[in-house]
Amino acid sequence: AQTVTQSQPEMSVQEAETVTLSCTYDTSESNYYLFWYKQPPSRQMILVIRQEAYKQQNATENRFSVNFQKAAKSFSLKISDSQLGDTAMYFCAFMPGANSKLTFGKGITLSVRP
Amino acid sequence: DGGITQSPKYLFRKEGQNVTLSCEQNLNHDAMYWYRQDPGQGLRLIYYSQIVNDFQKGDIAEGYSVSREKKESFPLTVTSAQKNPTAFYLCASSRGTVYNSPLHFGNGTRLTVT
Repeated sequence: AQTVTQSQPEMSVQEAETVTLSCTYDTSESNYYLFWYKQPPSRQMILVIRQEAYKQQNATENRFSVNFQKAAKSFSLKISDSQLGDTAMYFCAFMPGANSKLTFGKGITLSVRP
Repeated sequence: DGGITQSPKYLFRKEGQNVTLSCEQNLNHDAMYWYRQDPGQGLRLIYYSQIVNDFQKGDIAEGYSVSREKKESFPLTVTSAQKNPTAFYLCASSRGTVYNSPLHFGNGTRLTVT
């Protein structure tokens, strides 16, 4: 079974600064996919970024980028130039290549201070 | 506009009653999912379905039942056997057969059982 661990329950960052959210996972799969989802106060889940395990290049989406360390089974999310609208819960998630079942971490609450 | 509709947004029931949560999608997605979200627990998978007339148990299926008679619909019944039914329930869908296909989420249903 796969597990996803987000060890930091809360983080805070000053507006315009950079913050990194950590995530580790455990799996015996060789082919899999990793995701970061954002859940703002509206509770709507929004995909932030995704990474295929077979790709060595780290994914980027505008101000969001990941640091994917396959050997260490680490998948951290970096948010640059933090904005007030980034205030939300962030969930790391794992999907094995064999099926579409997605396993989530417990999430981290990020607060962006003005 | 394509999307996932969960209804109702808030639902109240008395203990001992079964209750059914609705989830409809018009994205033509093959796979559909039900997650439960509790404070500090993240999202936990209840049931998922990768194709019509077929579904699999997730990590916390006890006390829940589902059906998938139509591609567009994946209702979840919370039975009286579920010991702690009060929670926020999220429905999601994906293309399924594309294994890195991200999940699209509905806006959720908050169920309160007293």
